[in-house]
Amino acid sequence: ETGVTQTPRHLVMGMTNKKSLKCEQHLGHNAMYWYKQSAKKPLELMFVYNFKEQTENNSVPSRFSPECPNSSHLFLHLHTLQPEDSALYLCASSQAGLAGGLRFGPGTRLLVL
Amino acid sequence: AQSVTQLGSHVSVSEGALVLLRCNYSSSVPPYLFWYVQYPNQGLQLLLKYTSAATLVKGINGFEAEFKKSETSFHLTKPSAHMSDAAEYFCAVSDNSGGSNYKLTFGKGTLLTVNP
Repeated sequence: ETGVTQTPRHLVMGMTNKKSLKCEQHLGHNAMYWYKQSAKKPLELMFVYNFKEQTENNSVPSRFSPECPNSSHLFLHLHTLQPEDSALYLCASSQAGLAGGLRFGPGTRLLVL
Repeated sequence: AQSVTQLGSHVSVSEGALVLLRCNYSSSVPPYLFWYVQYPNQGLQLLLKYTSAATLVKGINGFEAEFKKSETSFHLTKPSAHMSDAAEYFCAVSDNSGGSNYKLTFGKGTLLTVNP
């Protein structure tokens, strides 16, 4: 499978649950990203990993915990979320330098009850 | 710091009419500029990009954009709208100075509606 894949596509969780989002890229890129997309707000960059090293944490609450075991896989571990965390979570990848732009996955639609 | 302003959160055109979506940017160094499209329940798809080569950039689905440094603009156009163009469009900027070249800053998006 080519491109960027994300699982699950939809997730409903309670505020006391723990869940994980998974992202995988098959493009040979070396940078991976998590973005949050909420209604009527700009895309919010959450985390950036470059060659498996975290290079950006955009003041994200600790209830979101990223993990990047290698350049092809990225996880977002979720625990004790709040209803305002309900959003579309987008994973993306790129080559270094961003001249090629970001390649996005289809996203995970998260609903926190 | 870099920023993007998309003028008009919602644009409505008739099928066959010109599409013009506006984007102005702010960047302290020569930028990379991008337009992305998002269809309902999908991720963002790259339409076109400017990376300091030709100022008129052609993308997929008949879209094009022109980089105008003097106006700090990168407006997206299409001569004739199709119903399938209905989607949300995002302009994005990245500086290519090397220090933060792993971040794209996105505009708030413009929802394009195409009327039959």
